[in-house]
Amino acid sequence: NAGVIQTPRHKVTGKGQEATLWCEPISGHSAVFWYRQTIVQGLEFLTYFRNQAPIDDSGMPKERFSAQMPNQSHSTLKIQSTQPQDSAVYLCASSLQGEQYFGPGTRLTVL
Amino acid sequence: AQKVTQTQTSISVVEKTTVTMDCVYETRDSSYFLFWYKQTASGEIVFLIRQDSYKKENATVGHYSLNFQKPKSSIGLIITATQIEDSAVYFCAMREGIGDNSKLIWGLGTSLVVNP
Repeated sequence: NAGVIQTPRHKVTGKGQEATLWCEPISGHSAVFWYRQTIVQGLEFLTYFRNQAPIDDSGMPKERFSAQMPNQSHSTLKIQSTQPQDSAVYLCASSLQGEQYFGPGTRLTVL
Repeated sequence: AQKVTQTQTSISVVEKTTVTMDCVYETRDSSYFLFWYKQTASGEIVFLIRQDSYKKENATVGHYSLNFQKPKSSIGLIITATQIEDSAVYFCAMREGIGDNSKLIWGLGTSLVVNP
């Protein structure tokens, strides 16, 4: 089992550009979560899907951030018009029965 | 409101000793789940151990064990016979509700350094 795969591992964007982050969950896991980690805020929940359906997006900034799960093998997190404060490590996790298993994260740097 | 608090910012120990990391939580739910994860220097977040609120027996996995004190809303992580490779940041997290899948609420983490 390859674990949760996230691509790219690092992304640098200019202010105002778009960033798309990809996540491939562990095969057979029914839930996919997105978190963001910064030094100041720590680990913050963004959104999650269960069986590809969006369940809770209470952590998502209302503007510029969107997430999708078009099929059971991948999810995307899109940030439009990136701002320097969006710089963080974005983590994807998948779960089958409670414990969440994390990918290596995508480090986003907005210049 | 849901909240997880880890008061210890960092701990330093000598290898082969036992270390305890503290965590307290706030929840209104009668059913909840508590987790400990560690984040290595490479950034990898690894699941360690879990405690379900309805279970009275403390969970144990390998050299990790929990000290679950429900009346105090406390879930301490105990690592026995520490090794150099246990050096990492340890996070306490909570999940509410009866469903298997919902978001985790995280503490800010405790940095553990294990010295030779």
